[in-house]
Amino acid sequence: GAVVSQHPSWVICKSGTSVKIECRSLDFQATTMFWYRQFPKQSLMLMATSNEGSKATYEQGVEKDKFLINHASLTLSTLTVTSAHPEDSSFYICSALPGLAVDNEQFFGPGTRLTVL
Amino acid sequence: QKEVEQDPGPLSVPEGAIVSLNCTYSNSAFQYFMWYRQYSRKGPELLMYTYSSGNKEDGRFTAQVDKSSKYISLFIRDSQPSDSATYLCAMSAYSGYSTLTFGKGTMLLVSP
Repeated sequence: GAVVSQHPSWVICKSGTSVKIECRSLDFQATTMFWYRQFPKQSLMLMATSNEGSKATYEQGVEKDKFLINHASLTLSTLTVTSAHPEDSSFYICSALPGLAVDNEQFFGPGTRLTVL
Repeated sequence: QKEVEQDPGPLSVPEGAIVSLNCTYSNSAFQYFMWYRQYSRKGPELLMYTYSSGNKEDGRFTAQVDKSSKYISLFIRDSQPSDSATYLCAMSAYSGYSTLTFGKGTMLLVSP
């Protein structure tokens, strides 16, 4: 089956620093990748949609200058949380859509837990 | 009113019980309905996918959609401890490259 990996699986950083999270589709090419954020006991909230080779589309209320997304290849998208603050602590999950989507299925990564001290 | 409502639980049942998980929604444009299972600190995995109203069965899992009531359900028969997880409903208006709207998820605990 389709596998999506994320790195790192967890990260702790100091307030004010930047953190980069990678999302890779291991056995398929993903024209589109999504980035979600999930707070404890809350739903997955879509942050942005990234398409290979073009600028990401951000959801309302998500600061594009704070959450930088780069989808440089068909198998890799990165999310950089710039100048992280404690309120950015969350579970960040990416998903990838194969080039020929079947039944609307996105394949999710295992998530990255970010803790900002 | 939120677009998708889902009782967060936890729902505790004994092994072998039939489990019923539900979501209601307000957006009548939703046509595609999914159930995901998420283990702690893991990404969601797709369990069931249905289009429009009707039932779909896959092993111990049955998904039901009632668009007239804006209500969807997931039934789990002969529940197992390994079914203990958070179950998220998700829905979208369009197929293909559309985005999903998720419920908060219901935590299910199946005790041996």
